[in-house]
Amino acid sequence: DAGVIQSPRHEVTEMGQEVTLRCKPISGHNSLFWYRQTMMRGLELLIYFNNNVPIDDSGMPEDRFSAKMPNASFSTLKIQPSEPRDSAVYFCASSLVGGTNTGELFFGEGSRLTVL
Amino acid sequence: AQSVAQPEDQVNVAEGNPLTVKCTYSVSGNPYLFWYVQYPNRGLQFLLKYITGDNLVKGSYGFEAEFNKSQTSFHLKKPSALVSDSALYFCAVILDRGSTLGRLYFGRGTQLTVWP
Repeated sequence: DAGVIQSPRHEVTEMGQEVTLRCKPISGHNSLFWYRQTMMRGLELLIYFNNNVPIDDSGMPEDRFSAKMPNASFSTLKIQPSEPRDSAVYFCASSLVGGTNTGELFFGEGSRLTVL
Repeated sequence: AQSVAQPEDQVNVAEGNPLTVKCTYSVSGNPYLFWYVQYPNRGLQFLLKYITGDNLVKGSYGFEAEFNKSQTSFHLKKPSALVSDSALYFCAVILDRGSTLGRLYFGRGTQLTVWP
């Protein structure tokens, strides 16, 4: 399996622009997570999907952030409008949850966002 | 509220010496405990997990961790450190209840540096 695939790996944009980050989870996994990593705040869980349905979006910072999972093989995280404080590395992770599975997460390589 | 703490931001050891990276947890119910490692500019990689059974868990790259219920700890250990072990290490915990299975709570991470 190719693992969790994220794109773009790097994004530099100007304040006010829309940013879309993409994620393809591991085939067969039923849960998908978006995390944000910064030096100041460490790893923060932004949103969590199970079977394509958002379960917990309490970590989404504000209305400028939105996430979708239209099908089992694709998810997006959108920031509109972007601000410099959104600069971070955004990770997508997937997992097979339920039954005897113990919720081990598989992470993508991350999307490094810089908002100027 | 459930949480996990890594009391040390940094751990420095000489190559060939044993290493310990500390983690304590605070959860109600039976915890599932994980260790992940992050190399520079990479996503997090799974190292090992404790679900049930033997308190000493062996994982990848020669690492092991000991679950101590009375001390609510899950310290990561390796008998002989390598320079290539230098990375950021995360402890994480989830409950064993199905509704939250897969929702990992991460510590802030401990930067391990192994000197040659």
